[in-house]
Amino acid sequence: AQSVAQPEDQVNVAEGNPLTVKCTYSVSGNPYLFWYVQYPNRGLQFLLKYITGDNLVKGSYGFEAEFNKSQTSFHLKKPSALVSDSALYFCAVRDSDMDSNYQLIWGAGTKLIIKP
Amino acid sequence: SAVISQKPSRDICQRGTSLTIQCQVDSQVTMMFWYRQQPGQSLTLIATANQGSEATYESGFVIDKFPISRPNLTFSTLTVSNMSPEDSSIYLCSVSPGTSGSRRVGEQFFGPGTRLTVL
Repeated sequence: AQSVAQPEDQVNVAEGNPLTVKCTYSVSGNPYLFWYVQYPNRGLQFLLKYITGDNLVKGSYGFEAEFNKSQTSFHLKKPSALVSDSALYFCAVRDSDMDSNYQLIWGAGTKLIIKP
Repeated sequence: SAVISQKPSRDICQRGTSLTIQCQVDSQVTMMFWYRQQPGQSLTLIATANQGSEATYESGFVIDKFPISRPNLTFSTLTVSNMSPEDSSIYLCSVSPGTSGSRRVGEQFFGPGTRLTVL
């Protein structure tokens, strides 16, 4: 069965420091992996995705994520956090071998708090 | 990217009544999804709505409670029927325009959500 785990409910980082939001996954086939962000009182926005190719993917707002197949992880990173990065972050996965099923499996979400 | 609007943005309803939420997309899409989200929590998929076929409901959700219409490729409605306070939540419409082989594959675009409070 497909699943996504975000082990941290909340991550606190000082502004200017690097940040990491963790995500691990489980699929039977090859994964499509996604990060979405939800700012307060707003809808979800797509940040970045891994489909194939380079394991390091870059996305919006200076975020990047590294696909690690051996560790089944797709951690979200940013070299220098901004207060405006404070939001709820969701990791999601889809099994690429299930082309007829476009559903995403969602993690529980991680609240990122950047303190000035 | 697809631009999605939802109506209403929020509503306060009485127990036992029904509310229909509308979702309008600015482009034609095959796959449309309806989610429920408690504030600060993860997303729960209610159903997948493809134009021209019956919606597919996830475990725990039934058509009598959450009837869905999908009359064309740009529009869908979700009705929350015979509401109770447990139905208080944010309801999100989402579309997936990408298909296999497309560079947009797997991406979903979300509407702003409908915040429902049932008294």
